[in-house]
Amino acid sequence: NAGVTQTPKFQVLKTGQSMTLQCAQDMNHEYMSWYRQDPGMGLRLIHYSVGAGITDQGEVPNGYNVSRSTTEDFPLRLLSAAPSQTSVYFCASTPSGGVYEQYFGPGTRLTVT
Amino acid sequence: AQRVTQPEKLLSVFKGAPVELKCNYSYSGSPELFWYVQYSRQRLQLLLRHISRESIKGFTADLNKGETSFHLKKPFAQEEDSAMYYCALGSYGGSQGNLIFGKGTKLSVKP
Repeated sequence: NAGVTQTPKFQVLKTGQSMTLQCAQDMNHEYMSWYRQDPGMGLRLIHYSVGAGITDQGEVPNGYNVSRSTTEDFPLRLLSAAPSQTSVYFCASTPSGGVYEQYFGPGTRLTVT
Repeated sequence: AQRVTQPEKLLSVFKGAPVELKCNYSYSGSPELFWYVQYSRQRLQLLLRHISRESIKGFTADLNKGETSFHLKKPFAQEEDSAMYYCALGSYGGSQGNLIFGKGTKLSVKP
């Protein structure tokens, strides 16, 4: 199993550009989530999904969109990038039905200039 | 409100010294608590979970419901323990599956 994969690893955007961060998992996990990691702030939940077709907002959803058309994929879209979105983004997945370990992807390091 | 507090941003110790990374939580129900570790520029990985009561890489953590704490301890630190450590709280209910993370503590073990 590849686990949780993310692409790209690095990305530089100009203010106002849009892009999609890809996340995929092959563990048949129902639950997937996106976090951003900033120095001194820990990990903050952006959006999450409890299954295909179901998404919800986390702590810091503004400026981001998600959709979940399949169990495997959970892309994160930046609609109009801003310097405040410079961060490291982590995708995670976990089985549903309880509180279990979350499996993290390797992260995407995004810089917005 | 659910909250996780890690009071130390940075903890620096010498090799062989004991280590304690503090974690306090706020949660009205029965908590599920985790410690995650992130080595330099790598993904987060689970270190241990209170329900399993395991010792991983020499680390242990005991849930103290009276003090609402879940401190991570190791009797003799090694240089390879240098990393970011995150305490996380999981909850049942509507957003089951979500984890609330503390802000993290950077552990630096000096030779």
